[in-house]
Parts: sequence; C-alpha cells; structure tokens
Amino acid sequence: AQSVTQLDSHVSVSEGTPVLLRCNYSSSYSPSLFWYVQHPNKGLQLLLKYTSAATLVKGINGFEAEFKKSETSFHLTKPSAHMSDAAEYFCVVSSMEYGNKLVFGAGTILRVKS
Amino acid sequence: DSGVTQTPKHLITATGQRVTLRCSPRSGDLSVYWYQQSLDQGLQFLIHYYNGEERAKGNILERFSAQQFPDLHSELNLSSLELGDSALYFCASSPREGGHTEAFFGQGTRLTVV
Repeated sequence: AQSVTQLDSHVSVSEGTPVLLRCNYSSSYSPSLFWYVQHPNKGLQLLLKYTSAATLVKGINGFEAEFKKSETSFHLTKPSAHMSDAAEYFCVVSSMEYGNKLVFGAGTILRVKS
Repeated sequence: DSGVTQTPKHLITATGQRVTLRCSPRSGDLSVYWYQQSLDQGLQFLIHYYNGEERAKGNILERFSAQQFPDLHSELNLSSLELGDSALYFCASSPREGGHTEAFFGQGTRLTVV
C-alpha cells in the first residue's frame, strides 16, 4: 500500500474561500505527519507537524490539519484562501516501518483564483 | 530562510560528466538527507547521513554517492550523468538521527544534463 496518498493532484479555489487538501496515510505504527509547501522555484517549507500530541495541529499562515486515526487521514485546511497560498503542498509521513525517513506524497497543486 | 545552504543553485552539464552538489546543514543539526525531485518521480529519498555515518539508502543509483564530513557538511556526487538525471536535488537537515522529526530543506540545486 502507498505510504501516503494525496487524493487530489490539483485543487482550485477562489480567493477568500476555504481550502481543503486531502491526505491519507498508511502506517502500522504511530506515525508523525507533516505538511510542507513549495512555492514555484523555491525550497520546501514546513507548514505544520503532528507528532502524537494534540490531534488538531495549527501551522503557519492560517493552515491547520487534523489527525484522524480511524480514517487514517491528515487533511490540510484553511478557512480563507489568499493569492499567496498558490503553491504545491506535500503531505509527508515518518514512521518506523519506513525507516523513520520522511516519505512524501505526490503533491497537490493549489490554484487560487481572484 | 531554513538555515540549510546548498550550492550551486543551478548546474548545467553534459552527459557522461560528473558533478558534486554541496550542502551545509543548519547549525547543530547532525542529520543530512538528500532528495531528488523530478516531474515523473516526485520527491524521492536518496540517502541519509547522521554525524558522518550513512544511516539509510533510498532510491539512489550506483552512479551516485554521498558523504558527510566531520564539519557535518555533505556532498552528493553524481557521475556518468544521463539526461534522466536532470532534476532538482534537495538537501535537508534535522537535529536528530531520525524518526518523528521534521527536516529543514535547502533551496535545492537544479541540475540540467544536456
């Protein structure tokens, strides 16, 4: 099974509307989960992380994600999209069964329309 | 700025050549990871070093090698280059050996093989 699956390769929203980027993971052990963002021609920046503390995680720039063990999901949300949010977003899992390295999803490209 | 420095930012070279990519981790970080990002393969883990020792290997070709030096900087050596090696190569660092900790990424080196 895929270790991490991002359910949408592209998401398009209008400025000021909510953002939902979906991620499902596979892990037999307690995973750590992360969301990274990559703006065009830039490096990867950590948005937020879950490491077995609170299941609702708040990150930078108004993003948050909720860890749902029963659904093996870690969806990224933001109440109101801004033009500057247009970028590629990666859901990432780290777990003992993957050698504790970061395993990246395929990425979701977020487009924000004015 | 993540604190991870990669040089050079861009590299254009011919097939069959050899190049060296350099990474300086964040101050105090002992772990260095190398990733390759290409359009068809996404973000692929190559190799992980911790305090000078190799800890894990991912999808790294035999033509590629890496090392981490006593001052903790790392180099990724790519030889007998092929067109398909054209990609963005990222270095990331983290303070611990692995497991459940985020990594901080450099801006990447864009390698173009012609």
